[in-house]
Order: sequence, then structure tokens, then C-alpha cells
Amino acid sequence: QKEVEQNSGPLSVPEGAIASLNCTYSDRVSQSFFWYRQYSGKSPELIMSIYSNGDKEDGRFTAQLNKASQYVSLLIRDSQPSDSATYLCAVRRGSNYKLTFGKGTLLTVNP
Amino acid sequence: DVKVTQSSRYLVKRTGEKVFLECVQDMDHENMFWYRQDPGLGLRLIYFSYDVKMKEKGDIPEGYSVSREKKERFSLILESASTNQTSMYLCASSLGGGPDTQYFGPGTRLTVL
Repeated sequence: QKEVEQNSGPLSVPEGAIASLNCTYSDRVSQSFFWYRQYSGKSPELIMSIYSNGDKEDGRFTAQLNKASQYVSLLIRDSQPSDSATYLCAVRRGSNYKLTFGKGTLLTVNP
Repeated sequence: DVKVTQSSRYLVKRTGEKVFLECVQDMDHENMFWYRQDPGLGLRLIYFSYDVKMKEKGDIPEGYSVSREKKERFSLILESASTNQTSMYLCASSLGGGPDTQYFGPGTRLTVL
């Protein structure tokens, strides 16, 4: 079983719509969860981190965590063409230094 | 702002050459990481270091070694480059403790001919 799974996409949404990106993880001891955005040819940049069950909002981005169901999601409201990128979910187990990444979901926002 | 820099954006080497990739961070971070990223395989951890002169193998250490002589600098070494090491190499650093967010450098696109 893969440790961190994401739909590879591409996920295509019209401009102004809500984009929903999902991630599931297999290790119940996971404690820290991160969403990174990666534009083509660039390195990943951190968008959101979440550590507790529930929602965390930052501008147009909302991260949702459900540890019982072992999933974390990222909602992007009012999607813009500039949001078109690959979104990587990353999970950290306890106090371990290591992050485990999903393979990413390619999001395309159509004008 | 956290700044992680890598010595080269693009690098072309020949099979059998010894290759050094350097990474420097300016935020006094404890932890540093080397990843490679390949289409369809995602980000894979090669090695990481949690202190000067300390290192641990990641998921794919074969064919690589690392060096951390100073806190701010973490080097990845390909002892004898092979074509299957053609990839994007990404360095990251994190403060250590707590949530321990990792911040990435711009990456080095290495091509081994």
C-alpha cells in the first residue's frame, strides 16, 4: 500500500470555481501534514500546513484534516489561472524528520 | 524569509564523472535534505542530515554520498555518475523540532550523458 496517495489528475476547473484536492495516508501515527505547490520547472513551495483535525483557512486556501479517516484535503476558492500547478501532499510521522510525499495532482484552471 | 540556494540550476556531466551538488541555507536550520524528483515517481529522499557531520540514508541512497562539514552547507556527491542519475535534484532545509516545515531550494537539473 502506498504511504501517501493523491489522484494524479489532471484536475481541470474553470476560473472562479472551487478546486478540491485530496490526499490519503496509510500511517496512523502521522502528525503533521503539508500542501506544497509546484509550478512546472520550479521547486515546491509551501502553501499550508495543518496538524489538528478540522479546517484551517489562509486566504483562498483551506486545508481540511480528518485523522480518523486518514485524509487531508486542500480547497482553493475562486480558482485563478495562476493556480495551475502540481499540488503535493506531504506527511510527517511523529517526531521523525522525514516527510513522505504523494506524487502530486496536476491542477489546470481554465480562463 | 528562508533562503535555500543550490550551486547550479543546470549541470551536464559524463558517465563515470564525480559530481558535487552543493546546497546552502542561511536560516541556521538544523536539518537538511536531498531529494530527487522524476516524472511518475514523485519526490524521493536520498539522504538527510540532522546535525553537522551527521547523516542518515533516505529511501534511495545507492550511488550517492553526502557531506555536512558546516551547519549551513550540505553536499550531495555522485561518486561515479550514471545515466540513471539524470534527474532534478532538490535540496531542502528545516528548523528542527515542532512541525518542522521543509523549505526547498530552486533545484539542479542534472543530465548525465
